[in-house]
Amino acid sequence: GENVEQHPSTLSVQEGDSAVIKCTYSDSASNYFPWYKQELGKRPQLIIDIRSNVGEKKDQRIAVTLNKTAKHFSLHITETQPEDSAVYFCAATSGTYKYIFGTGTRLKVLA
Amino acid sequence: DTGVSQNPRHKITKRGQNVTFRCDPISEHNRLYWYRQTLGQGPEFLTYFQNEAQLEKSRLLSDRFSAERPKGSFSTLEIQRTEQGDSAMYLCASSFNGNTIYFGEGSWLTVV
Repeated sequence: GENVEQHPSTLSVQEGDSAVIKCTYSDSASNYFPWYKQELGKRPQLIIDIRSNVGEKKDQRIAVTLNKTAKHFSLHITETQPEDSAVYFCAATSGTYKYIFGTGTRLKVLA
Repeated sequence: DTGVSQNPRHKITKRGQNVTFRCDPISEHNRLYWYRQTLGQGPEFLTYFQNEAQLEKSRLLSDRFSAERPKGSFSTLEIQRTEQGDSAMYLCASSFNGNTIYFGEGSWLTVV
């Protein structure tokens, strides 16, 4: 069935360094890939998304890349700051109602 | 706040009791979703409404779970005869057609 794998499960980086989180999806019909940030006890919040007709998208310190052939996409955060510490979830959908989420990456930015 | 609103935010209940959660989506959003999230996991799809019609229910949802969206606006999720395994955060989300979904703050359920 549909599946999204996410790695790593935890990631610690020094403040100012970059962080990369990778996801692989199984459903070749997937065409929309959002990334959510979730702080402890809070709602998942959309931070960036990409559609299958685009290979890369950037928004300030955050960027997402998509490789449709390999069926994987990645989140890149540059110049990390302590407030970037949170759990990040990737998701994939074929444009219907069902988002399939990864298992999350707990990012810790060490000051 | 014009985001997705859920209540109650926290509910502690004894095993065997019924609980009901309410979700008010972003106004004008015609699609409403319920997800469940346990610690260390991503949200898992439970069910989905387009306007008032419930179009799919996940196999994760047993017969003890029922969801309604009577007028195509707010929705309720009821869990009957709660079990300890039902303890989780229940997230509601909404979207306009197939666009980005926006989550509520979630309703935490603890079954003791």
